[in-house]
Amino acid sequence: GENVEQHPSTLSVQEGDSAVIKCTYSDSASNYFPWYKQELGKRPQLIIDIRSNVGEKKDQRIAVTLNKTAKHFSLHITETQPEDSAVYFCAASTNGGSQGNLIFGKGTKLSVKP
Amino acid sequence: DSGVTQTPKHLITATGQRVTLRCSPRSGDLSVYWYQQSLDQGLQFLIQYYNGEERAKGNILERFSAQQFPDLHSELNLSSLELGDSALYFCASSPQQRGGHTQYFGPGTRLTVL
Repeated sequence: GENVEQHPSTLSVQEGDSAVIKCTYSDSASNYFPWYKQELGKRPQLIIDIRSNVGEKKDQRIAVTLNKTAKHFSLHITETQPEDSAVYFCAASTNGGSQGNLIFGKGTKLSVKP
Repeated sequence: DSGVTQTPKHLITATGQRVTLRCSPRSGDLSVYWYQQSLDQGLQFLIQYYNGEERAKGNILERFSAQQFPDLHSELNLSSLELGDSALYFCASSPQQRGGHTQYFGPGTRLTVL
């Protein structure tokens, strides 16, 4: 089955710097890759997603890139702010068959220092 | 607010007991997913239901079971509880059974087994 590896597990940056989180996946059939942000004790919230027919997607300060050949995708946050501090999870799923569950990476705890 | 509701918010019980967690999906969503999040762990997929039918199983213990009712709400039953079952349990919903669609998470139920 699918396996998603996520690095780093913790990341500390200064306010205004950029942050990059990387994930790799094992199943070449995976074609949907969402990123979730989870604040302490709260629900995971989708911040951006990408499908395998696209190489890059941007939404204001957040961007995701996908390299299907290498089976990895990355989250880029520019001009980080203290409110970006949270745990970020990458995930993968396929768009075929009769199931749609997400396989998550183990998360990256991002700390943005003012 | 994602539109997904979960009750109860907190649950404290003893080892060996049985509990039921409830989830109501977003209006119009037919798929419900259950995920377990233990301390310092990522999100582990447990089970998926679509329009009342089981569609996929992940790392769900035999002591755990779930169902989805005609009104599309879902219940996760956990029995013979052990200390290690203490975790946050999230449900998520999406409109389709296949992957590639945004999954919206509920606020979670925090289960504490003493």
